[in-house]
Amino acid sequence: QSALTQPRSVSGSPGQSVTLSCTGTSSDVGAYDRVSWYQQHPGKTPKVMIYGVTKRPSGVPDRFSGSKSGNTASLTISGLQADDEADYYCCSYAGDYSFVFGTGTKVTVL
Amino acid sequence: QATLKESGPTLVKPTQTLTLTCTFSGLSLTTAGAGVGWIRQSPGEALEWLAIIYWDDDKRYTPSLKTRLGITSDTSKNEVVLRMTNMDPVDTATYYCAHIMITYGGVARADYFDIWGQGTMVTVSS
Repeated sequence: QSALTQPRSVSGSPGQSVTLSCTGTSSDVGAYDRVSWYQQHPGKTPKVMIYGVTKRPSGVPDRFSGSKSGNTASLTISGLQADDEADYYCCSYAGDYSFVFGTGTKVTVL
Repeated sequence: QATLKESGPTLVKPTQTLTLTCTFSGLSLTTAGAGVGWIRQSPGEALEWLAIIYWDDDKRYTPSLKTRLGITSDTSKNEVVLRMTNMDPVDTATYYCAHIMITYGGVARADYFDIWGQGTMVTVSS
């Protein structure tokens, strides 16, 4: 069970869209539609932005969207805003009631 | 409003055993599908899932640390306890507990860590 692979950093200008990837295996991301994404500002607790690959909890702006293709899940942030600057982590169900997190992506708003 | 709060030592010596307690309110670990997990984050590093205990007392551990971890619950006290043996400086991290409702037996749930504690920083040093 290895950590899911995420790009170390992604950047974009305000108003632009950025897409973060999360690559796992056929035993985790590829096997289940149970990928969630967490936003973490410095010194803060992670906050879920997407769950079940594409679902948004109430209160999360629809600028955040999720998708999956094969063993790779993606998080797209549209209309990038300054407050979106944070670390983002994916997490996948890995079978047998266990979980695995990604390596994290730092999003920078230029 | 459901909350979780971690407690335990802020400093442990190498080779010692770490015991952390997660005390929760406003949620139940006896509800079918419920789980409380532990996740840690070393300074400047990524989140790492460590362990989880479910409503039926089923337990799971991350494979790389399985031999060092133990998770238990006391539903009468609304507590989940994590023990980690043989602590090393590389285990220095913020330790979070978090609640989850998991899909099981064909009953679809959210399958994400919806409520997190504030985290507790543990330093391993002699």
